Amino acid sequence: SQQGEEDPQALSIQEGENATMNCSYKTSINNLQWYRQNSGRGLVHLILIRSNEREKHSGRLRVTLDTSKKSSSLLITASRAADTASYFCAPQNNAGNMLTFGGGTRLMVKP
Amino acid sequence: DTAVSQTPKYLVTQMGNDKSIKCEQNLGHDTMYWYKQDSKKFLKIMFSYNNKELIINETVPNRFSPKSPDKAHLNLHINSLELGDSAVYFCASSQVLGASGELFFGEGSRLTVL
Repeated sequence: SQQGEEDPQALSIQEGENATMNCSYKTSINNLQWYRQNSGRGLVHLILIRSNEREKHSGRLRVTLDTSKKSSSLLITASRAADTASYFCAPQNNAGNMLTFGGGTRLMVKP
Repeated sequence: DTAVSQTPKYLVTQMGNDKSIKCEQNLGHDTMYWYKQDSKKFLKIMFSYNNKELIINETVPNRFSPKSPDKAHLNLHINSLELGDSAVYFCASSQVLGASGELFFGEGSRLTVL
């Protein structure tokens, strides 16, 4: 199995600003998933992007995938205080490995 | 209704004790997992069960043993607890093993070993 590495480790922005988080991984993938974890809670699935997709949108979320660079980014537009959480990426390879996670990006959105 | 529920939410115990954490999912999923989240928030896969069979067991000490009485339950039993076992343990489930298996997580069980 392989895990994604999120960058930056921590990000602090003002409400209304955009937040960009990055993820890098090492081997070829079938898909890459992003999850959110609120403090003291379990992870919640946000979005999945397949290896043949370059960009995907879901509400205020925009995910990009560059398989040549083995990287993905998660953009949250017009952030809200409620977006404060840790965000994790999870690459999944073609063998359907178990999802593993890095340390996440801790996002703080100040009101 | 809670999709993936685990109990207890908090567990404080002494070194050397044996404890169990229970997990149940009502999603009808075939695969369940246990993850350990350390103080730096890294989530490590410990076990996965597919149709009551252990599919993967990472380098986890054999003091940890998953037990699955049926497809909807995957309990985690820990023998001879050590200080380093202190962490938050998450149960999760997915409809299928691998492929595009979106995970559904429980709320976590915080284990503190004194």
